[in-house]
Amino acid sequence: DVKVTQSSRYLVKRTGEKVFLECVQDMDHENMFWYRQDPGLGLRLIYFSYDVKMKEKGDIPEGYSVSREKKERFSLILESASTNQTSMYLCASSLNKAGGLGPLGTQYFGPGTRLTVL
Amino acid sequence: AQKVTQAQTEISVVEKEDVTLDCVYETRDTTYYLFWYKQPPSGELVFLIRRNSFDEQNEISGRYSWNFQKSTSSFNFTITASQVVDSAVYFCALSPLELYNQGGKLIFGQGTELSVKP
Repeated sequence: DVKVTQSSRYLVKRTGEKVFLECVQDMDHENMFWYRQDPGLGLRLIYFSYDVKMKEKGDIPEGYSVSREKKERFSLILESASTNQTSMYLCASSLNKAGGLGPLGTQYFGPGTRLTVL
Repeated sequence: AQKVTQAQTEISVVEKEDVTLDCVYETRDTTYYLFWYKQPPSGELVFLIRRNSFDEQNEISGRYSWNFQKSTSSFNFTITASQVVDSAVYFCALSPLELYNQGGKLIFGQGTELSVKP
């Protein structure tokens, strides 16, 4: 069974705090993604990683960084949280090569983290 | 331009009605993949179906069916005999080959919020 987990469902932080959002997948997927979802704006890609230690900016990387030290874990970091980063954050993973779970290229999502920055 | 349009922002039906969610896409690639995801109130995006551009056969899975028509660039989703548990936001997504080869990046539509009332 495909499984993507995120460290928290709900998180409340203060402006200026450093925030870590963790995502773990157990499907041996190469690709991992971080999105944010806001009403009226849909899903927007923040960062993408196609291999350990590899990352690529998405559509809205400003104010965020990522870390991928192990294949199964992809962390999103808000260096100094701001109120406009209050949002729903979704992590996803997908397979790039045969051998893992699921069809190639299909993204599987975690349950999401609803982050509020006060 | 490469984009996905889900013109219906919100749909409300009464239980047992049939409902069709529209999805129109634009891409310059001849090879591409189309997806539907369901996002229930809990927040997690659930993968429903993946279609490649060379397979125009319609698909049926229980009460769900999908109609892929390349001539009109549409990939519509029909729920037969809707149930309250079908209430969710439904996203259509496109992965043109150039993005698919970059790890399966997706272009999402804005989503259609379906409300099924008892």
